[in-house]
Amino acid sequence: EVQLVESGGGLVQPGRSLRLSCAASGFTFDDYAMHWVRQAPGKGLEWVSGISWNSGTTGYADSVKGRFTISRDNAKNSLYLQMSSLRPEDMALYYCAKGNKLGITGSYFDCWGQGTLVTVSS
Amino acid sequence: EIVLTQSPGTLSLSPGERATLSCRASQSVSSSYLAWYQQKPGQAPRLLIYGASSRATGIPDRFSGSGSGTDFTLTISRLEPEDFAVYYCQQYGSSPLLTFGGGTKVEIK
Repeated sequence: EVQLVESGGGLVQPGRSLRLSCAASGFTFDDYAMHWVRQAPGKGLEWVSGISWNSGTTGYADSVKGRFTISRDNAKNSLYLQMSSLRPEDMALYYCAKGNKLGITGSYFDCWGQGTLVTVSS
Repeated sequence: EIVLTQSPGTLSLSPGERATLSCRASQSVSSSYLAWYQQKPGQAPRLLIYGASSRATGIPDRFSGSGSGTDFTLTISRLEPEDFAVYYCQQYGSSPLLTFGGGTKVEIK
């Protein structure tokens, strides 16, 4: 069974940093691209970032470009999101999502974790 | 960036009725790279449809997707109680930006 378990969320002050993690199991992790998708309270879904199977290609939403960095460790079956210069508008539930193929282009999300909540407030 | 506009924002229907949800793109979605997701309160989204019309594994055949170019539709032929939820479309053909529509809530009338 495919499982994605996010961790690392919490309360952080504006301007500070936070690192999210996603532990994957039940599939061959390095055969697939991985993504982060967020959902602000009561709002819709927003794709945040994606990374190809070998970390060769990454992509970011304009809203986080230059502040967030996605990475993965295939040996540990783990995905990460380093978030810096956090803003109140970054407050959301952050989902880890599995892509359906190696690359991020043409990749939809066929499995989702339950999310980790990031609260940005002073 | 491709902008996806979903309509209506809310659909009020009774169990057993047919639901028709629309997703319109600001420019053509290449190779019909359009997916639909269902999200229930307190749950993560679930993939329903990919490639505009292919059902994901385990999805009942009352769910169907159609369309191409800029206009796409998700149809639920006969609403079951568990189908009342929010539905999102997503395009994944425009690299590197993958965008979602704003969602359609299907509620019980």
